[in-house]
Amino acid sequence: AQKVTQAQTEISVVEKEDVTLDCVYETRDTTYYLFWYKQPPSGELVFLIRRNSFDEQNEISGRYSWNFQKSTSSFNFTITASQVVDSAVYFCALSEAQGGGFKTIFGAGTRLFVKA
Amino acid sequence: NAGVTQTPKFRVLKTGQSMTLLCAQDMNHEYMYWYRQDPGMGLRLIHYSVGEGTTAKGEVPDGYNVSRLKKQNFLLGLESAAPSQTSVYFCASSGPVKTQYFGPGTRLLVL
Repeated sequence: AQKVTQAQTEISVVEKEDVTLDCVYETRDTTYYLFWYKQPPSGELVFLIRRNSFDEQNEISGRYSWNFQKSTSSFNFTITASQVVDSAVYFCALSEAQGGGFKTIFGAGTRLFVKA
Repeated sequence: NAGVTQTPKFRVLKTGQSMTLLCAQDMNHEYMYWYRQDPGMGLRLIHYSVGEGTTAKGEVPDGYNVSRLKKQNFLLGLESAAPSQTSVYFCASSGPVKTQYFGPGTRLLVL
């Protein structure tokens, strides 16, 4: 069965600190996709990154980086030198094939507060 | 390019009333989804569709119905609204690469 766990409910940091958001997933499929989405206070959901199960390469995009480790079923997200604009709820999600399509399960989210 | 749009943005219903939420996408995506978001619970999948004329149940389908008569539209219906359906509803669509693009959300309050 699919499951996504974001154990950190809320994190508070001071601007310029680095912060890592944890995501642990469970799946029995060998083919699956992992995602991170950002939900700022305005409420929209913004896609950040997608990884498929065959691509364990870490990725860096500006101040954002993602560490995908199949051995520990984790897909962690690090923000370097955090800024106030990074304050948001961040969701990790897992998609796997089901019923001719793909079913996606979201974690409960981690609310990040970045203080000036 | 509008992406995914949702109508209405906000609605107040009385218990027992019915309503339909409309989702439209202009990206020619095959897959469409309806989620609800409640505090502390992330997003939960209500129903989804893998193509025009098809629908399937998600994690929390009870009390909702959907239809996908046109590829670009995915309708979510509440036949008899209950206070437990007070939530923010998000529609999303995705193409072959599975990344879901979300609409701006609909806030529904059931009194």
